[in-house]
Amino acid sequence: DADVTQTPRNRITKTGKRIMLECSQTKGHDRMYWYRQDPGLGLQLIYYSFDVKDINKGEISDGYSVSRQAQAKFSLSLESAIPNQTALYFCATSDTQGARGEQFFGPGTRLTVL
Amino acid sequence: AQSVTQLDSHVSVSEGTPVLLRCNYSSSYSPSLFWYVQHPNKGLQLLLKYTSAATLVKGINGFEAEFKKSETSFHLTKPSAHMSDAAEYFCVVIRISGGYNKLIFGAGTRLAVHP
Repeated sequence: DADVTQTPRNRITKTGKRIMLECSQTKGHDRMYWYRQDPGLGLQLIYYSFDVKDINKGEISDGYSVSRQAQAKFSLSLESAIPNQTALYFCATSDTQGARGEQFFGPGTRLTVL
Repeated sequence: AQSVTQLDSHVSVSEGTPVLLRCNYSSSYSPSLFWYVQHPNKGLQLLLKYTSAATLVKGINGFEAEFKKSETSFHLTKPSAHMSDAAEYFCVVIRISGGYNKLIFGAGTRLAVHP
């Protein structure tokens, strides 16, 4: 079984709809992250969480919110989706003791906003 | 500030020939550098990492990278390409920010391998 899972894997929605992307991990890591990937831009950090009570904005948090329901679960919400949020979204985890920042990634969620 | 530049957005090689994916970094201190690979419809997998130990780093699937401080480079190489190497590759530098190690991604290099 995968250590970091994301649901759904693909989603098509319409402008203005509320969308939630979910991430679960079985690695026992404290830290979790949400990224979006756009062609030619690499990955950009949306939000990150050090533990259940510690959530921080990343580089591109506008239009997004998150919830850390438990150590193992970190959800990303788009309150009112817009077409330029069409992208591939990745969840990642890391251990506070991990080797100088290595992160472990889920398989990604491909979101299309029409 | 830390950043990486991947010098080629696309690289195409024939199966059995060498692979070279180029990455230059910018860092005000001794950096930690990673290469990640993303196969189609898959998540990102760590290929290898440099954390100020040996300058020649060996990774999975026959890949290796050499840290060259004088050239601020961390190029990824493989002696002989395999069809399964076709993927997108990301060079990553660590930026220490707000008490944690933030990953700064390059734009990616898409590797195509032809028979």
